[in-house]
Amino acid sequence: GAVVSQHPSRVICKSGTSVKIECRSLDFQATTMFWYRQFPKQSLMLMATSNEGSKATYEQGVEKDKFLINHASLTLSTLTVTSAHPEDSSFYICSARDVSGGFYEQYFGPGTRLTVT
Amino acid sequence: QKEVEQNSGPLSVPEGAIASLNCTYSDRGSQSFFWYRQYSGKSPELIMSIYSNGDKEDGRFTAQLNKASQYVSLLIRDSQPSDSATYLCAVVGSNYQLIWGAGTKLIIKP
Repeated sequence: GAVVSQHPSRVICKSGTSVKIECRSLDFQATTMFWYRQFPKQSLMLMATSNEGSKATYEQGVEKDKFLINHASLTLSTLTVTSAHPEDSSFYICSARDVSGGFYEQYFGPGTRLTVT
Repeated sequence: QKEVEQNSGPLSVPEGAIASLNCTYSDRGSQSFFWYRQYSGKSPELIMSIYSNGDKEDGRFTAQLNKASQYVSLLIRDSQPSDSATYLCAVVGSNYQLIWGAGTKLIIKP
């Protein structure tokens, strides 16, 4: 149980275009999902917290107009990188919180490797 | 500022030995603690969660929690080369976000 999928796993796009990444909880409902970014050999960096049916909460320094997050259902959150630039190239990972057991485990998707050329 | 601290390593352990990974946290009110394993180029994988003082065992893994000392550890028995990875300690903070340690790189030598 507690499986989270992400699509696509890898994407290459040209500078100035937009890219959408989907995150789905496959066997549980997730009222809260999280989006992280990780650069090579660096720690996970939380970008935003996505709550179903409400606006996402962005961490300090993360541009909300550039990284659009939508959490339209209890099993799906999307991250859209708008007007992507080479410096946005990174490993984007989502996680979903499963509270069915009364605790707060977060399960991660496999990640999306974005390369902007 | 709530913090989680880990020794970044690398920690080198012979195959078959016990690997001991440690983590301290600053928020005395923390209640939920997790260990994740992250292989290079992959996303983190939850391997242990612990909520009460004492030990929790799952196969070759044992998590230990001491809330008085604000200390959580992970023991890996009979270490295998496949256990070589970065181990991340995480503590639930406000808004249910995870506060992450920087991770300890573990190397199991055959």
